[in-house]
Amino acid sequence: AQSVAQPEDQVNVAEGNPLTVKCTYSVSGNPYLFWYVQYPNRGLQFLLKYITGDNLVKGSYGFEAEFNKSQTSFHLKKPSALVSDSALYFCAVRRSYNTDKLIFGTGTRLQVFP
Amino acid sequence: DGGITQSPKYLFRKEGQNVTLSCEQNLNHDAMYWYRQDPGQGLRLIYYSQIVNDFQKGDIAEGYSVSREKKESFPLTVTSAQKNPTAFYLCASSIGVGGQPQHFGDGTRLSIL
Repeated sequence: AQSVAQPEDQVNVAEGNPLTVKCTYSVSGNPYLFWYVQYPNRGLQFLLKYITGDNLVKGSYGFEAEFNKSQTSFHLKKPSALVSDSALYFCAVRRSYNTDKLIFGTGTRLQVFP
Repeated sequence: DGGITQSPKYLFRKEGQNVTLSCEQNLNHDAMYWYRQDPGQGLRLIYYSQIVNDFQKGDIAEGYSVSREKKESFPLTVTSAQKNPTAFYLCASSIGVGGQPQHFGDGTRLSIL
């Protein structure tokens, strides 16, 4: 069965420093992986996805993610964090072939301190 | 602008009452989804619909019902059989196939009076 894990409930980083939010996955077949961000009392916003191709995927708001097949990871990164990046981040994996249904991780709260 | 509209933003339910959450999209997406979000548990799939007049149970469908009479609309009813309905409910839509991203509404927060 497909699954994703976000091992950190919270990540704290100082503004201007690089940030990493971790995600590992377990899938049969080729993984379709996604990152979303959620601000308080709002829906999820799509940041980026990996289907195939380059292992480094660039997305919205300066975020990028690195796909690592050998480590079954898809970590979200940003070179320089902003206070406005503080939010809840979700990793997700497609459930099965020929569908857009997703399985979500439990989320990681990112706190960027000024 | 295209998007997904959920209403109301806040909803209160009395004991023994059914309530219906609205979800409308103008993205021309075939697939629609309902999720429940509880703190620390991520998003759990309640129901989904790949096309009009068809829908399937997700992981936690007990105590909920849906309909899909129009492509644009996918209302969720929280019935009195759902004993712990307090949560944040999110509706999403997507093209339907090919691993495309889902687009989300801004949610409805349901509480018990």
